[in-house]
This record gives sequence, C-alpha cells and structure tokens, in this order.
Amino acid sequence: GENVEQHPSTLSVQEGDSAVIKCTYSDSASNYFPWYKQELGKRPQLIIDIRSNVGEKKDQRIAVTLNKTAKHFSLHITETQPEDSAVYFCAASRGNSGGSNYKLTFGKGTLLTVNP
Amino acid sequence: DAGVTQSPTHLIKTRGQHVTLRCSPISGHKSVSWYQQVLGQGPQFIFQYYEKEERGRGNFPDRFSARQFPNYSSELNVNALLLGDSALYLCASSYYRETEAFFGQGTRLTVV
Repeated sequence: GENVEQHPSTLSVQEGDSAVIKCTYSDSASNYFPWYKQELGKRPQLIIDIRSNVGEKKDQRIAVTLNKTAKHFSLHITETQPEDSAVYFCAASRGNSGGSNYKLTFGKGTLLTVNP
Repeated sequence: DAGVTQSPTHLIKTRGQHVTLRCSPISGHKSVSWYQQVLGQGPQFIFQYYEKEERGRGNFPDRFSARQFPNYSSELNVNALLLGDSALYLCASSYYRETEAFFGQGTRLTVV
C-alpha cells in the first residue's frame, strides 16, 4: 500500500521567513496530493491540493510543487505569520483512478511554529 | 452553510463496551470517509462509503463497522472497545469519491 513520509517533524521559523515541508510517496499510481492544516484541538482544514497533471500550484502565500519522477511534493509558505503556527499534514491518494479505493494516506505531520 | 458535523464531540467508554459515532456530511456530498487519528500522528483511513455502499476499508479489525444512510449521513460502530481505540475519530465528506475531502471536528473517544 501507499506510504507517505513527511519531513521535518518540527519546524521553527521567524515571522516573515519562508517555511518548506517535504513529503515523499511510494505508490506511483497516486495522483492527488492535498495539504491539511490542523490547529490544536481543531479539524484538519484543506489548504491547498495538487493533481499529478500539474507541477506547481499557488494560492497567495502558499504553494505546492510536485515531482512525479522523484515521487515527492512540497509545501511552501512565504512571509509566515504567527497564525500559520499549526500541524501540517501532507497526504496522497489514487483519486480519479476510476473504481479504485479512494483513500487519503497521510504523513505524520509537521509542527510549524512561527515566532513573532 | 453547514460543514461536516459529528456527534458526540467527546465520549468516555469502558473497555469491552460498544460505541456509535455519527456524521452528517456537507449538503450534497455523497461520500463519507472515516479516519482514526491517534495523538501525534496523521489520520488513518478506516472506511469509505459512497452512495450507501462500502467502497474502501483500511487495516482495522472487524470490531469496526460502518454504514451510510439514504440521506448520506453515516455511523461508525466499534465493538469490544480496547484502550488502544482511544483516539480522535474524524469524518470527511466529499461530493464524489475522488474529490476534495472536508473534515468534521471529530469525536474524541477515550476508553478507560
């Protein structure tokens, strides 16, 4: 089955700096890669996602890149703010594979702390 | 516009008991998935239901079961509770099986 590795497990940055979180996946059939932000005691919230037919996607200060050949994808947050502090999870699935089991396989998460 | 709602929010059960967790998806969403999130880990897939049929099952014992109703709401049942079942149980809904999944706030289950 799919295995998703996420690094680093913790990341501390100064406000205004950039943060990068990296994930690798094992299943070459995976084609959908969402990122979730989870604040303490709250639900995971979808912040951005990418499908395998594109290499990069941006949404304001957040961007995701995908390298299908190397089977890794990354989350980039620019101009970080204290409210970006949370646990971030990457995930992978075989979405759009037609008839296959659509499930999200998550990484173990990255605790991002943005220091004022 | 209501998001995914789960009930109850917190629950304390004794080992060996049975528990039922409930989920109402976003209006119009036909797919419901269940995940278990142990403290400090990412969510782990338990089940997916789409159009009231089980479409996927994760590596969980038969003590775990679920169903989806005609209104697309869902129940997760766990029998013979173990201490290790203590976790946050998350429900996620999506319009189709393969579209974006949105999570509820979860049910925090504690088994003592």
